[in-house]
Amino acid sequence: AQSVTQPDIHITVSEGASLELRCNYSYGATPYLFWYVQSPGQGLQLLLKYFSGDTLVQGIKGFEAEFKRSQSSFNLRKPSVHWSDAAEYFCAVGAYTGNQFYFGTGTSLTVIP
Amino acid sequence: EADIYQTPRYLVIGTGKKITLECSQTMGHDKMYWYQQDPGMELHLIHYSYGVNSTEKGDLSSESTVSRIRTEHFPLTLESARPSHTSQYLCASSEESRGNIQYFGAGTRLSVL
Repeated sequence: AQSVTQPDIHITVSEGASLELRCNYSYGATPYLFWYVQSPGQGLQLLLKYFSGDTLVQGIKGFEAEFKRSQSSFNLRKPSVHWSDAAEYFCAVGAYTGNQFYFGTGTSLTVIP
Repeated sequence: EADIYQTPRYLVIGTGKKITLECSQTMGHDKMYWYQQDPGMELHLIHYSYGVNSTEKGDLSSESTVSRIRTEHFPLTLESARPSHTSQYLCASSEESRGNIQYFGAGTRLSVL
């Protein structure tokens, strides 16, 4: 069965600290992986994507993610968190063709001064 | 940056009313989607469309209906709203030739009293 697991429901970090959000997936075909961010009252904005090639991908707002096939993981990282990064983060897996994404339940990030 | 628009952003209505949630995209994407999002839950696909005059139901059973008469427009209709329909509804679109990356609107938050 296809699924995405985000083990951390809520994370609190201090401004300037590093961040890692975890994502594990189960997918029967070649996975295409995504991270989205959702600010309160807004839709989802694409942070980054992995299709193939270099397993470390760079995204917007200083985020990066690393695809580890052996661990079925696609963790999101940022070296230094800013207060404006407080939001909900969703990991998703899909296919290059077809219709469906599978989303995780999200990780809520709080940034404290 | 994606150009996908949802109206209204917020809607409070009484039980039994008929409502239509609007979604339009200006990117010429062939695929469009409707998701239902509840707090702490993953996004659930309720409808999708591969193109004009093509609509399918998603994984989550929904009493809503959709239509796709024009490429850019994908409205969702509830014939008789109930309190159980209270949720956030997110519209998205994608282009298969560009890896099916889904771009989201800002969402409609629906409350049925």
